[in-house]
Amino acid sequence: AQTVTQSQPEMSVQEAETVTLSCTYDTSESDYYLFWYKQPPSRQMILVIRQEAYKQQNATENRFSVNFQKAAKSFSLKISDSQLGDAAMYFCVVSGGYQKVTFGTGTKLQVIP
Amino acid sequence: GAGVSQSPRYKVAKRGQDVALRCDPISGHVSLFWYQQALGQGPEFLTYFQNEAQLDKSGLPSDRFFAERPEGSVSTLKIQRTQQEDSAVYLCASSIDLSGGLYNEQFFGPGTRLTVL
Repeated sequence: AQTVTQSQPEMSVQEAETVTLSCTYDTSESDYYLFWYKQPPSRQMILVIRQEAYKQQNATENRFSVNFQKAAKSFSLKISDSQLGDAAMYFCVVSGGYQKVTFGTGTKLQVIP
Repeated sequence: GAGVSQSPRYKVAKRGQDVALRCDPISGHVSLFWYQQALGQGPEFLTYFQNEAQLDKSGLPSDRFFAERPEGSVSTLKIQRTQQEDSAVYLCASSIDLSGGLYNEQFFGPGTRLTVL
């Protein structure tokens, strides 16, 4: 079975500081993608960043970047210069092959002014 | 254009009632997904469609759950004889990707919060 583990149920960060959210996963698929989605309170889930498993280069998207360690099956999200609008639930997702789409349990990020 | 919409946003049902939840995906999106999100948990995959074809329904928890997308656009998730454990937020997402939507961004709707009394 495909699994995604987010070991930090809650995290907090001071505004303008940097925070890293952890994610580990397990899949038997050789071709898969990894995602971080953000679910703000009472708002719709949106994509933060995406990583193709076959690419060694870590994805970046403005203040968001990932540290993808394929051998360790680790996929952490770094948020730089944190803003109040970053407060949300963050989900790590593995997608691909016959094991389809699997979400982690989420990390709730609080941004302290 | 408009995003993914879902209706109703909230549904309260008495145990044993049948419910139907609607999803309007983004126009032109080939793939459509349904997820169940229990309180404080991550979404769990229920089923997905590529156009009108239901390619995977392995996540449907029981035969009381049924999903359809007859014209490859709007989709309906039906739950028969609802039970208290069916209480959750049901999320719909769509993706433009012809390869099955597994590798591309999914666009999510606001969800339908189902409460079964």
